[in-house]
Amino acid sequence: AQTVTQSQPEMSVQEAETVTLSCTYDTSESDYYLFWYKQPPSRQMILVIRQEAYKQQNATENRFSVNFQKAAKSFSLKISDSQLGDAAMYFCAYRSVGTYKYIFGTGTRLKVLA
Amino acid sequence: EAGVTQFPSHSVIEKGQTVTLRCDPISGHDNLYWYRRVMGKEIKFLLHFVKESKQDESGMPNNRFLAERTGGTYSTLKVQPAELEDSGVYFCASSHLTSGGDGTQYFGPGTRLTVL
Repeated sequence: AQTVTQSQPEMSVQEAETVTLSCTYDTSESDYYLFWYKQPPSRQMILVIRQEAYKQQNATENRFSVNFQKAAKSFSLKISDSQLGDAAMYFCAYRSVGTYKYIFGTGTRLKVLA
Repeated sequence: EAGVTQFPSHSVIEKGQTVTLRCDPISGHDNLYWYRRVMGKEIKFLLHFVKESKQDESGMPNNRFLAERTGGTYSTLKVQPAELEDSGVYFCASSHLTSGGDGTQYFGPGTRLTVL
């Protein structure tokens, strides 16, 4: 069975600085999808970025980018120029090609310091 | 376009009582999912509807949990009778019905359930 591990329960970053959130996963599949979701306090979870495993190029969405290392089964999220609004719980998720359900990590709470 | 909505946002009940959570998916989304996060742990899949049919209910903890999606629109998740270990945040998500693609799911804000 697939598993997702987020080893950092909490991270802090200074406003305007860069922070990297780690995510590793375990799978025997060769094709799958990976996601980072963000949940601000008391608000709904929103998609930050997604990566298709067969694409070697790392996904990028504005200040958010990933470092996808397929062989190492690592999918870290880099947030550049951190803003106060980036403070949230971040969840890493895996989805097999053949199924719909997501497998999540335990989340990383990101604090942004002014 | 309205997002996924969930009601209530919070619910506090006594052990043994019944609670019903509601989810309204994004209009036009045939796939609807329920997930649960117990304090400090990962978000776990509960079940998946395609329209009104249960496609996968492998994550449902036990028969105290009953999910329905009459008419293929909104869904309810009933817990009866509630136990202490049912406390957590219940998330609903929806997605388009597609045979391919990444099947991105759009989540609601969750219902925080506390069983005393």
